[in-house]
Amino acid sequence: ETGVTQTPRHLVMGMTNKKSLKCEQHLGHNAMYWYKQSAKKPLELMFVYNFKEQTENNSVPSRFSPECPNSSHLFLHLHTLQPEDSALYLCASSQVTNTEAFFGQGTRLTVV
Amino acid sequence: LAKTTQPISMDSYEGQEVNITCSHNNIATNDYITWYQQFPSQGPRFIIQGYKTKVTNEVASLFIPADRKSSTLSLPRVSLSDTAVYYCLVYSSASKIIFGSGTRLSIRP
Repeated sequence: ETGVTQTPRHLVMGMTNKKSLKCEQHLGHNAMYWYKQSAKKPLELMFVYNFKEQTENNSVPSRFSPECPNSSHLFLHLHTLQPEDSALYLCASSQVTNTEAFFGQGTRLTVV
Repeated sequence: LAKTTQPISMDSYEGQEVNITCSHNNIATNDYITWYQQFPSQGPRFIIQGYKTKVTNEVASLFIPADRKSSTLSLPRVSLSDTAVYYCLVYSSASKIIFGSGTRLSIRP
């Protein structure tokens, strides 16, 4: 248990569906991140939020839309995804001044 | 791009000490060296972090030479459960946390 909880753990969605991934942390951290990990590939940084403000968008397609309503919650809204978007989506949090990141267990997403 | 270079894979046996070396020639003054461990279908887990010389915790040791251009993660007496991918990262609070390909460590009985 890392203190970062992601739901759902598994998600299967069609290309025309809209779904959301949720991440929650109770560590008092003020930075949150979304990463994508495709099969046998390194983690790719997608988005970074510091103090609820988006500070990084790593050229992510607009079909992925993040939302950070407060420092404890982070969402990734998904719509009209492609099969190649199937991957493990990982959320992480850290203190902005502390460089240790804590990761959730991830959401295994399959787009059919 | 990741700022580190490490071996793609390593093999060892239970009970052995494993040393994984990472090269980071362009490390910045404010960067810390951080190692993570990842099991299949799980998020990475922080192992150890250091700035210079030697750091030791209950899991591993981290050796950093004076020039800080490389570092070595040392895992004492590994077991089968240490089979995982190990990532070496260098970053500060002002930079992005970027993962490279990591080192796939396989431990055999």
